[in-house]
Amino acid sequence: DGGITQSPKYLFRKEGQNVTLSCEQNLNHDAMYWYRQDPGQGLRLIYYSQIVNDFQKGDIAEGYSVSREKKESFPLTVTSAQKNPTAFYLCASSIDRPRGQVTEAFFGQGTRLTVV
Amino acid sequence: AQKVTQAQTEISVVEKEDVTLDCVYETRDTTYYLFWYKQPPSGELVFLIRRNSFDEQNEISGRYSWNFQKSTSSFNFTITASQVVDSAVYFCALSPPYGQNFVFGPGTRLSVLP
Repeated sequence: DGGITQSPKYLFRKEGQNVTLSCEQNLNHDAMYWYRQDPGQGLRLIYYSQIVNDFQKGDIAEGYSVSREKKESFPLTVTSAQKNPTAFYLCASSIDRPRGQVTEAFFGQGTRLTVV
Repeated sequence: AQKVTQAQTEISVVEKEDVTLDCVYETRDTTYYLFWYKQPPSGELVFLIRRNSFDEQNEISGRYSWNFQKSTSSFNFTITASQVVDSAVYFCALSPPYGQNFVFGPGTRLSVLP
């Protein structure tokens, strides 16, 4: 089945540690995204990538880093510089179309990160 | 700047009632795209509909319908004869015609009681 796989589903981290969230897609999509969701809030964009080896900061990139070495994979690292990392993280992907044609994004099931 | 407002934080209805979820957006783009997503308890967002700014026709899909009113910058979502399985958080989202930066509203939590 085609889709987006995020792992792990639950993750616990001690303060001061870096942690990496995995996101893999087999939809052959060019664009991939990371969003953060906090209770009662909408999704906020952390990073997005429209092509391999290239990515752009979103609205809340501070304290996070990403890589895009393969089309299928877009891992997110939550660094110790992120002041409040406890949240629900969602990865998404979409077909990258020419300017003026926006398509819907497809989402993974998310990773719930808790700092202990 | 782009913004999406979903004024209803939580809504509770009894099964078989109709319910409308409101979405109001702000954008300076003349071309833009609007979306609705459903987030069930499992967590992933499920795509429901995409609409571009030039298509103001209302759309119906089974028990779901969408009312796009450009004059009031609204894109409301109605569920007819609601069912318990409709219980979820629903997000409205907006995108400019370039890049792929979706702006999400805060979501409306819908509870359908048996």
